[in-house]
Amino acid sequence: GQNIDQPTEMTATEGAIVQINCTYQTSGFNGLFWYQQHAGEAPTFLSYNVLDGLEEKGRFSSFLSRSKGYSYLLLKELQMKDSASYLCAVRGKGTSGGYNKLIFGAGTRLAVHP
Amino acid sequence: DGGITQSPKYLFRKEGQNVTLSCEQNLNHDAMYWYRQDPGQGLRLIYYSQIVNDFQKGDIAEGYSVSREKKESFPLTVTSAQKNPTAFYLCASTPGLDYGYTFGSGTRLTVV
Repeated sequence: GQNIDQPTEMTATEGAIVQINCTYQTSGFNGLFWYQQHAGEAPTFLSYNVLDGLEEKGRFSSFLSRSKGYSYLLLKELQMKDSASYLCAVRGKGTSGGYNKLIFGAGTRLAVHP
Repeated sequence: DGGITQSPKYLFRKEGQNVTLSCEQNLNHDAMYWYRQDPGQGLRLIYYSQIVNDFQKGDIAEGYSVSREKKESFPLTVTSAQKNPTAFYLCASTPGLDYGYTFGSGTRLTVV
């Protein structure tokens, strides 16, 4: 089967650093995405990893290890507006065999406190 | 501005009724997707379409139907056969496999 695991909830303090982990087991792999979703809103794209290593984009960084089926999203200098759900998604094989769909984890709800 | 528009934002359905959720994009994207989101669960794929006049079932297609008569439009019908339709429905599109999704703002469907 296909499975993506991430912690359900995390809390952190404003100004701190938080790491959100994601492990996956999918039939085929062609990239891993991180999205941010505020309550009642659509997910917005944060990062994309297809090769092993770290991708940095401002306060957000994402890491991928394909051999371990593992990724993390690192958020630095946390702000109150970072309180949201963070979704890990893997591009896996569709029913026709092509890599044409994203498989999502359940999301990690991050609460940032003053 | 280019984007993907879902309507309505909130929809109430009586038991036994079919309802259609609209999804329109002006991004010239080839592929479009419908996902369902329930509390505590990840987004689950209902249907997707890679080109006009073609679509594929996702993981939870039972009780739903779609059409793709135009590149810009991918409406989703929730039929009376869907036993638990109350959920947040998200439409997405992408220009190709090397790109992420652009999501619409979602439709919250409630059965009353």
